[in-house]
Amino acid sequence: AQSVTQLGSHVSVSEGALVLLRCNYSSSVPPYLFWYVQYPNQGLQLLLKYTSAATLVKGINGFEAEFKKSETSFHLTKPSAHMSDAAEYFCAVSERGYQKVTFGIGTKLQVIP
Amino acid sequence: EAGVTQFPSHSVIEKGQTVTLRCDPISGHDNLYWYRRVMGKEIKFLLHFVKESKQDESGMPNNRFLAERTGGTYSTLKVQPAELEDSGVYFCASSGSAGQGSYGYTFGSGTRLTVV
Repeated sequence: AQSVTQLGSHVSVSEGALVLLRCNYSSSVPPYLFWYVQYPNQGLQLLLKYTSAATLVKGINGFEAEFKKSETSFHLTKPSAHMSDAAEYFCAVSERGYQKVTFGIGTKLQVIP
Repeated sequence: EAGVTQFPSHSVIEKGQTVTLRCDPISGHDNLYWYRRVMGKEIKFLLHFVKESKQDESGMPNNRFLAERTGGTYSTLKVQPAELEDSGVYFCASSGSAGQGSYGYTFGSGTRLTVV
């Protein structure tokens, strides 16, 4: 069984500040890990994914995430928040060879001018 | 290329009525998935089609939900009869033959279903 825990359902940062969204996962086998973003009135969009290559994964819009096996974490970061980053972010995990994805509850990011 | 299209975008129905949601995946995508998000909860897997066949329907809540995928193209999700707890946002996603494992999903914008 696999699960995802996102710490903080709401996160507020000032424009230009560091964005850190936390995600811890549980999986009995090496996982695939994903971050998706949902902008208002839109579908989910893939930000980045970890599939066993480099542990530091770079995604779109300046986001990156680091896979830390020892901490079972896959936190999402961006050095400098922009107003357009305001959205809901979902961490997700799947087992290799399986199509089903387990999502976290989501973190709403607010960017304060 | 066109993305994943879902309609309607919103549906409000009374308890006991029937609703049919439709999803048109990206052309050529063999894998089609349905997910649901009840307000305040996680996005939960419902089922997975490979072409026209149901590969995994372990997430379907009960037999009031019926999913079909005609000829391996578009898919419909019918809820009959609808109950209050069926309210939520229903997402459809598709992926190519390699599956979501390597590339991730492409999601539609979702259908917001409200049962009153």
